[in-house]
Amino acid sequence: AQTVTQSQPEMSVQEAETVTLSCTYDTSESDYYLFWYKQPPSRQMILVIRQEAYKQQNATENRFSVNFQKAAKSFSLKISDSQLGDAAMYFCAYRSGGTGTASKLTFGTGTRLQVTL
Amino acid sequence: DAGITQSPRYKITETGRQVTLMCHQTWSHSYMFWYRQDLGHGLRLIYYSAAADITDKGEVPDGYVVSRSKTENFPLTLESATRSQTSVYFCAGTPGRKNTEAFFGQGTRLTVV
Repeated sequence: AQTVTQSQPEMSVQEAETVTLSCTYDTSESDYYLFWYKQPPSRQMILVIRQEAYKQQNATENRFSVNFQKAAKSFSLKISDSQLGDAAMYFCAYRSGGTGTASKLTFGTGTRLQVTL
Repeated sequence: DAGITQSPRYKITETGRQVTLMCHQTWSHSYMFWYRQDLGHGLRLIYYSAAADITDKGEVPDGYVVSRSKTENFPLTLESATRSQTSVYFCAGTPGRKNTEAFFGQGTRLTVV
């Protein structure tokens, strides 16, 4: 079974600075997808960024980028120019490239990000 | 709008009662999921469904029952609620394409007293 590990329960960053959230995963598959979700106090789960395992290039979305190290099974999220609105819980998630019952998402335990002035 | 609607948003129930959490989707998601979110555990999968009449257990299925007679509805029933089932419950859906993220409902905060 696949597992996702987020080893940082809490992180703090000053406004306008850069922060990196860590995520590692364990799988024997070669075809899979990785996601970062943001959960603000409203509880809504919001997709931040996604990465296909077969792509070498790291995904980027505006101020958000990932460092995808397939061999090391690492998938960290970098937030540049942090803003107060970035304060939230962040979850790393894994999805198998298979179909049927293999399509479930497996989540890490989350990292709570605080943004200070 | 992610096309996933959960009801109710908040629910308080007593130990031993049966409770049903509703999930309705309007985007023709093939796959649907129920997760529970607890501090220190992240989101854990309870049950999932690949299509109508096809369901399977996730990581923490004990004490829960699901059904999916129609593609758009995926209710979760707690047969006899226990205090350990106090949690926030999320319903999610995703199309059949493998690279698509899951879309989530707003969540239901369930308290069992």
